[in-house]
Amino acid sequence: AQSVAQPEDQVNVAEGNPLTVKCTYSVSGNPYLFWYVQYPNRGLQFLLKYITGDNLVKGSYGFEAEFNKSQTSFHLKKPSALVSDSALYFCAVRDRSTGSARQLTFGSGTQLTVLP
Amino acid sequence: DTEVTQTPKHLVMGMTNKKSLKCEQHMGHRAMYWYKQKAKKPPELMFVYSYEKLSINESVPSRFSPECPNSSLLNLHLHALQPEDSALYLCASSQERGTLRNQPQHFGDGTRLSIL
Repeated sequence: AQSVAQPEDQVNVAEGNPLTVKCTYSVSGNPYLFWYVQYPNRGLQFLLKYITGDNLVKGSYGFEAEFNKSQTSFHLKKPSALVSDSALYFCAVRDRSTGSARQLTFGSGTQLTVLP
Repeated sequence: DTEVTQTPKHLVMGMTNKKSLKCEQHMGHRAMYWYKQKAKKPPELMFVYSYEKLSINESVPSRFSPECPNSSLLNLHLHALQPEDSALYLCASSQERGTLRNQPQHFGDGTRLSIL
């Protein structure tokens, strides 16, 4: 079984400050990890993924995420937040060993609000 | 602009109506998905098609009937829906086979469905 936890329903940060959105995961094997963002009245938009290799992954719009195997975490970060980053963020995991297309499990989501 | 196109964007229907949601992608993806999403919640998987064949049905009520006429199109036929079926319905697609399984799912912007 696989699962994802996003411990914070809401994160508020001032514009220009660094932001972190937390994600921890549980899989029986090795994970594929993803971050998606959802703006109001839009679908989910892919931000970045961890497959293998370098633990620091860089993605779209200046976002990055750090894979930490010992802590089973994949926190999303950005050095300087913008008001336009305000959105709903989902972490997702897929067990690398699974042969099924369906096995993408989403976290509960974190609403990020960047205050001007 | 998203690469997965969903129509209509909004749909209001009565409980006795029959309607269909449509999804189209031209990325050559051979896995296609229907998700249901309630406000501020993660998407819930409904159906998965792999190479135009239904591979996953997550115990969805029979009032929802999926169809995959070809590798680019995915439909969701609706009949006798209930008020609790009001939600955002998202279509997604992804690569399917082998090492391409680490690729992200691409989402459309969804159809916002309201059942009166």
